Amino acid sequence: KQEVTQIPAALSVPEGENLVLNCSFTDSAIYNLQWFRQDPGKGLTSLLLIQSSQREQTSGRLNASLDKSSGRSTLYIAASQPGDSATYLCALREGGGNKLTFGTGTQLKVEL
Amino acid sequence: DTEVTQTPKHLVMGMTNKKSLKCEQHMGHRAMYWYKQKAKKPPELMFVYSYEKLSINESVPSRFSPECPNSSLLNLHLHALQPEDSALYLCASSLGTGASSYNEQFFGPGTRLTVL
Repeated sequence: KQEVTQIPAALSVPEGENLVLNCSFTDSAIYNLQWFRQDPGKGLTSLLLIQSSQREQTSGRLNASLDKSSGRSTLYIAASQPGDSATYLCALREGGGNKLTFGTGTQLKVEL
Repeated sequence: DTEVTQTPKHLVMGMTNKKSLKCEQHMGHRAMYWYKQKAKKPPELMFVYSYEKLSINESVPSRFSPECPNSSLLNLHLHALQPEDSALYLCASSLGTGASSYNEQFFGPGTRLTVL
């Protein structure tokens, strides 16, 4: 059974710092990987989607990488801002039916 | 229109009540999903509808009954719920369910359900 772990569980950084969030998975047979952010009590906002054949995707200050062989993905956030404070979730798509398996999440706080 | 809407935003119900959650999208997506999320936990898949047919049921208790009346609308009927069913219920949609990146899932804001 696929297990998806995100480390750290919580992270607090000063504004302006560059930071890396990690997502590890146990079964490399995935179709794609999505990164989401979730504000408290709200729905999920899709940030980036990486196909299994891709190594990375970029959107603005965000860059996500995927290394299937080592079972890892990272989300890089450049020049962090207080508005980036949220919980970040990675999710894997493994097979038919488009079922997503979510990671445990990283709660990020960017302080002024 | 590029969003998934959910109503109501909040719902409080007793264990003997019958209520329904509603989800709507007008993006032409043909796959729709229900997820349940407990506090400080990741979302867990409940049901997947593909082309208005139930394609995945993740062993969800029968007190949760999904319905897909048309390709834009997804309902979740609730009956005889337990306090432990209190959670955020999220709806999502995607163009289809194949392996393509076009099948990225888009989520609604959720319904916060409290069962007394």
